[in-house]
Amino acid sequence: QVQLVESGGGVVQPGGSLRLSCAASGFTFSDYGVHWVRQAPGRGLEWVAFIWYDGSNKYYADPVKGRFTISRDNSKNTIYLQMNSLRAEDTAVYYCARDSSIQLPVWYFHYWGRGTLVTVSS
Amino acid sequence: NFMLTQPHSVSGSPGKTVTISCTRSSGSIASNYVHWYQQRPDSAPTIVIYESQQRPSGVPDRFSGSIDSSSNSASLTISGLKTEDEADYYCQSYDISNGVFGGGTKLTVL
Repeated sequence: QVQLVESGGGVVQPGGSLRLSCAASGFTFSDYGVHWVRQAPGRGLEWVAFIWYDGSNKYYADPVKGRFTISRDNSKNTIYLQMNSLRAEDTAVYYCARDSSIQLPVWYFHYWGRGTLVTVSS
Repeated sequence: NFMLTQPHSVSGSPGKTVTISCTRSSGSIASNYVHWYQQRPDSAPTIVIYESQQRPSGVPDRFSGSIDSSSNSASLTISGLKTEDEADYYCQSYDISNGVFGGGTKLTVL
């Protein structure tokens, strides 16, 4: 069955960096784009970033543009989110979610990971 | 970019019907599909409606989605309310290169 497992969360000081990973299994990883979605404590869902199935296109939400970088390694079935210049407002549970269409994105998500918590605090 | 606005909370009694609205701030609601997610406490979201009206396998037919161009909004309707439906619900859409979520609606089953 489809599985997405996030890792790499933790506590980091403001201005610091962190790299999240999303390990995928149960499907042909190189056929699907993957999104990152975050949820601040007690708040709603916020779309963060998306990478196409082949890594050819990457999109970012305005609050993270220029600070976060999404990438993928299709040989390792893994998505990464490199987060730099972290701010208190980046504190959230970060979920990876698989796009629901092969190759061309449809921008909805049947499969989600369980999330990893990132806390930005001094 | 546009925004999606949902009511903060709705409530209903077991067996009754509730509707959660999702209003698009600019551009036509019909120009991109709207999807709906259910999120229970301390759990990842799960999709309950996709492409505005489609129900994934395993989601009961008590859940339905619709679009109203006159109000530029989408709606999620849950009929025959059950206590297990108590959760947060989020609408979601997209434009060319951005995903957009509504702020979420807390459903309380009284």
